[in-house]
Amino acid sequence: SQQGEEDPQALSIQEGENATMNCSYKTSINNLQWYRQNSGRGLVHLILIRSNEREKHSGRLRVTLDTSKKSSSLLITASRAADTASYFCATPEYGNKLVFGAGTILRVKS
Amino acid sequence: GAGVSQSPRYKVAKRGQDVALRCDPISGHVSLFWYQQALGQGPEFLTYFQNEAQLDKSGLPSDRFFAERPEGSVSTLKIQRTQQEDSAVYLCASSLVTGTSGTNEQFFGPGTRLTVL
Repeated sequence: SQQGEEDPQALSIQEGENATMNCSYKTSINNLQWYRQNSGRGLVHLILIRSNEREKHSGRLRVTLDTSKKSSSLLITASRAADTASYFCATPEYGNKLVFGAGTILRVKS
Repeated sequence: GAGVSQSPRYKVAKRGQDVALRCDPISGHVSLFWYQQALGQGPEFLTYFQNEAQLDKSGLPSDRFFAERPEGSVSTLKIQRTQQEDSAVYLCASSLVTGTSGTNEQFFGPGTRLTVL
């Protein structure tokens, strides 16, 4: 079963705009991870945020985590056409297996 | 290459046929995972190996699914008597080691798209 939900399910923006995706989860976590999936490169790890962190940056990516609300957000700034992909949040369960959300489909129009 | 490889990339099977999907993890990676991804959904965990030991198979949907990793490297996911509901992308991932905090990055292969007619 899926851990939680991402919203929106789909997002279409113009190149240069920012994209924000949200993820909610159900159980207590040690960390939360974001992955990107496109047909060219498969599923790729983007960023990991630990439960004691509130915000983390990596290049054009900014992730926030609110453990009291059991939610996380992924912000992609200055989007590019190459950012077009599906984005998933995932949390480790029992230390190993990842439990993924249903994903957000992002389309960046050039 | 240095990444996780899977074969075949695409497989079409007739209902009732047995299939075998192969995963070559990154050399030296202790942990290996199989996930099933239905169309429009996120990946769902099937099973996990640490070296040759299958430590968790709680996600295998039925006894028609069987996975092995006999020498602690290459793994095979076998599906017997395939059904239409088995149609999905099967993803393999490996990681160096898995601690209790689950902070080790999993590296995913390109997947095998299985279509059962």
